[in-house]
Amino acid sequence: GENVEQHPSTLSVQEGDSAVIKCTYSDSASNYFPWYKQELGKRPQLIIDIRSNVGEKKDQRIAVTLNKTAKHFSLHITETQPEDSAVYFCAASMGYESHSGYSTLTFGKGTMLLVSP
Amino acid sequence: GAVVSQHPSWVICKSGTSVKIECRSLDFQATTMFWYRQFPKQSLMLMATSNEGSKATYEQGVEKDKFLINHASLTLSTLTVTSAHPEDSSFYICSAKVDRSRNSPLHFGNGTRLTVT
Repeated sequence: GENVEQHPSTLSVQEGDSAVIKCTYSDSASNYFPWYKQELGKRPQLIIDIRSNVGEKKDQRIAVTLNKTAKHFSLHITETQPEDSAVYFCAASMGYESHSGYSTLTFGKGTMLLVSP
Repeated sequence: GAVVSQHPSWVICKSGTSVKIECRSLDFQATTMFWYRQFPKQSLMLMATSNEGSKATYEQGVEKDKFLINHASLTLSTLTVTSAHPEDSSFYICSAKVDRSRNSPLHFGNGTRLTVT
């Protein structure tokens, strides 16, 4: 099955700096890569996603890049703010359809981002 | 946007009792819902895929007789933790997709924090 590795496990930055979180995946058939932000005790929330036909996607201060050849994708947060502090999870679709027509996601282990004022 | 409601948000139960967790899609129909478990400071681990009108598909290592899943309607899936033990204490989160597209994001419920004493 799919295996997703995520680094670093913790990341501390100063407010205004950029933060980069990297993930690799093993299943070359995976073609959907979302990123989720989870604040303490709350549900994961989708912040950005990218599909395999695109190499980069940007939404304001957040961007995601995908390198299909190397099977890695990264989350970039610019001009970080204290409210960006949370755990971020990358994920990849497993590349197969269940009998119901859905594919499941495999999550990375998460990165705790701490943004100091 | 798509709303997934999960209830209860937290529950404390005694060892040996059973606990039922409900997951509802409020403004869309979800033929498939996913149940995840998250231990403190760890990632989300898929437990099972809940399919409306048929048996759930369990991930390897998840006991189907202990974690009973029922998906009786297009908007409701339930997870029952039977004969709960302290090691079952965890954060359980359900999720669903709005459409059947392979590349569509998951929408998560708020999660249920289960503590077994």
